[in-house]
Amino acid sequence: EADIYQTPRYLVIGTGKKITLECSQTMGHDKMYWYQQDPGMELHLIHYSYGVNSTEKGDLSSESTVSRIRTEHFPLTLESARPSHTSQYLCASSELGGGLYEQFFGPGTRLTVL
Amino acid sequence: TQLLEQSPQFLSIQEGENLTVYCNSSSVFSSLQWYRQEPGEGPVLLVTVVTGGEVKKLKRLTFQFGDARKDSSLHITAAQPGDTGLYLCAGDSGGGADGLTFGKGTHLIIQP
Repeated sequence: EADIYQTPRYLVIGTGKKITLECSQTMGHDKMYWYQQDPGMELHLIHYSYGVNSTEKGDLSSESTVSRIRTEHFPLTLESARPSHTSQYLCASSELGGGLYEQFFGPGTRLTVL
Repeated sequence: TQLLEQSPQFLSIQEGENLTVYCNSSSVFSSLQWYRQEPGEGPVLLVTVVTGGEVKKLKRLTFQFGDARKDSSLHITAAQPGDTGLYLCAGDSGGGADGLTFGKGTHLIIQP
């Protein structure tokens, strides 16, 4: 079973607030990812990281930012939340096994911006 | 942009029946992964298929990767209520380090 954690699990905040979604993994994986998922829709990659001090933007444009100061930690920050940011945010990490990167997901953070 | 189309979008059947769900694309993928996601949780990896024509079995679940590596199917035999969930396919266009392309999923409900 994957050891990847996200906090908080649920967050309801007002417009304009700064928030940070936490993601930690204890598996020592170099690769980490953030996906955004709206209800009934597919996951969209918004950020990823190859390792410490590496951050890249994903396929879906996002106003959020990420940092990777430690291998196990990959927080996502919204400087000024808006209702359009309401969504589920999923963190994942992966390892190279048998020539493949298989991704393990955290439980997600459901964000509601009022 | 690579797209993965999953069908059907919704499926509700009785316990004990068999079913097949599909994942199709016009693009070639180096591998394709199937996940199951329950409400309020993150996706859980079920299987990864790599070779064209490959078939993998996981108890009552059978996964197949198309010969051209553009499509895949998931067949469930004698479905049980515990199989209920959102089934997602995800394609890796190369390496996997840059993230996966996900389909919208099939919402499966198995009624007792």
